[in-house]
Amino acid sequence: QVQVVQSGPEVKKPGASVKVSCQTSGYTFSDYHIHWVRQAPGQGLEWMGIFQTHGDRRTTYAQKFKGRLTLTQDTSTRTVYMDLGSLTYDDTALYFCARDGHGGSPFSFDSWGQGTLVTVSS
Amino acid sequence: QSALTQPASVSGSPGQSITISCTGTNTDVGNYNLVSWYQQHPGKAPKLMIYEVTKGPSGVSNRFSGSKSGNTASLTISGLQAEDEADYYCCSYAGGDSWLFGGGTKLTVL
Repeated sequence: QVQVVQSGPEVKKPGASVKVSCQTSGYTFSDYHIHWVRQAPGQGLEWMGIFQTHGDRRTTYAQKFKGRLTLTQDTSTRTVYMDLGSLTYDDTALYFCARDGHGGSPFSFDSWGQGTLVTVSS
Repeated sequence: QSALTQPASVSGSPGQSITISCTGTNTDVGNYNLVSWYQQHPGKAPKLMIYEVTKGPSGVSNRFSGSKSGNTASLTISGLQAEDEADYYCCSYAGGDSWLFGGGTKLTVL
């Protein structure tokens, strides 16, 4: 079955960068894009960006993250990485990766990772 | 882009029906039939409940249904059950390979 497993919690200082991994299994990796979504404590969901795992492997980032968000992949391990730089206290949040539904449920997020807590603290 | 607008909270008694609205603009909700809805229980990852405005994924109860009129999409839950108590989020494709979430609605089953 489809599985999406993320790396463990991180604690970072302001100004640092964090890299979170999202490893997938149970399906053909290149058939489904991967999104990143975050949720600040007690707040709602916020779409951050998409990594298109096939074709030109294009990335698209939400405007507020442009310049400090980078999504990459390692096809050999079926993993997509999220690298967020210039961290501030406002970046403290639970970060989720989610598979795009593609042919089954297009333009939606059909399988989610368990979430990775990133805490920004001095 | 601003988040889609949802009511902060709704409530209903077991067996009743409730509807959660999700208002966007003519560049997102109104421009695409690509609204999805997610259920999130505390401490859990979101779960897809509706996609493409009205379609339910396999395994999701048919008590959940979706609709859209103009710039507003809606999620209706019929035959409310205790386990439906959760946060619900709408999401719309907004063009240019970008997506937009609503602020979320807390559903309380009385």
